[in-house]
Amino acid sequence: GAGVSQSPSNKVTEKGKDVELRCDPISGHTALYWYRQRLGQGLEFLIYFQGNSAPDKSGLPSDRFSAERTGESVSTLTIQRTQQEDSAVYLCASSFAGGHTGELFFGEGSRLTVL
Amino acid sequence: AQSVTQLDSHVSVSEGTPVLLRCNYSSSYSPSLFWYVQHPNKGLQLLLKYTSAATLVKGINGFEAEFKKSETSFHLTKPSAHMSDAAEYFCVGYVSGGYNKLIFGAGTRLAVHP
Repeated sequence: GAGVSQSPSNKVTEKGKDVELRCDPISGHTALYWYRQRLGQGLEFLIYFQGNSAPDKSGLPSDRFSAERTGESVSTLTIQRTQQEDSAVYLCASSFAGGHTGELFFGEGSRLTVL
Repeated sequence: AQSVTQLDSHVSVSEGTPVLLRCNYSSSYSPSLFWYVQHPNKGLQLLLKYTSAATLVKGINGFEAEFKKSETSFHLTKPSAHMSDAAEYFCVGYVSGGYNKLIFGAGTRLAVHP
């Protein structure tokens, strides 16, 4: 497709289980971002990829969170031993270059609910 | 520290009246600034961006924003609100110095009444 694709769109899981969220950026976009949006709140930066390296992981909340990216393609955000406070919409965005020069293109997000 | 502050969490207007969504930034450098819109259950979409060219920036759907360095502001305006403008709006700044990272304001929810 032409846009950023995220899957699953909705995920309900039990506390303590691991979840994996996937992002397919727009083809050719070198920069990829993950954000978290809790209900009624703004976006919280998690991690930034340039190619398959992550120069900024400062937003990952704990060591239960990890992310990887294959080349300039798919990225996976993994949350281990999920907690109720992990419930949120996880948004992925991509761009041609760094955010200051270009527009970020966002996916529609993966809504995670931890029971 | 660099930051972006949206001064109103909720704004309510009547259809056909002007819209003003306020944003202030704090930055040691001339920033790049953006406004994004998020409709319910949708991803974010870029409305407009300022990157040190013209201080008055025109975006999509009749929105515009003016960069005022003296006031450190980048308020979003529209002369006449439409029902379809009801959404969440985010003011976003670019953090310079090493990594490309955008800083999001907390958002302003715009309600438009008939």
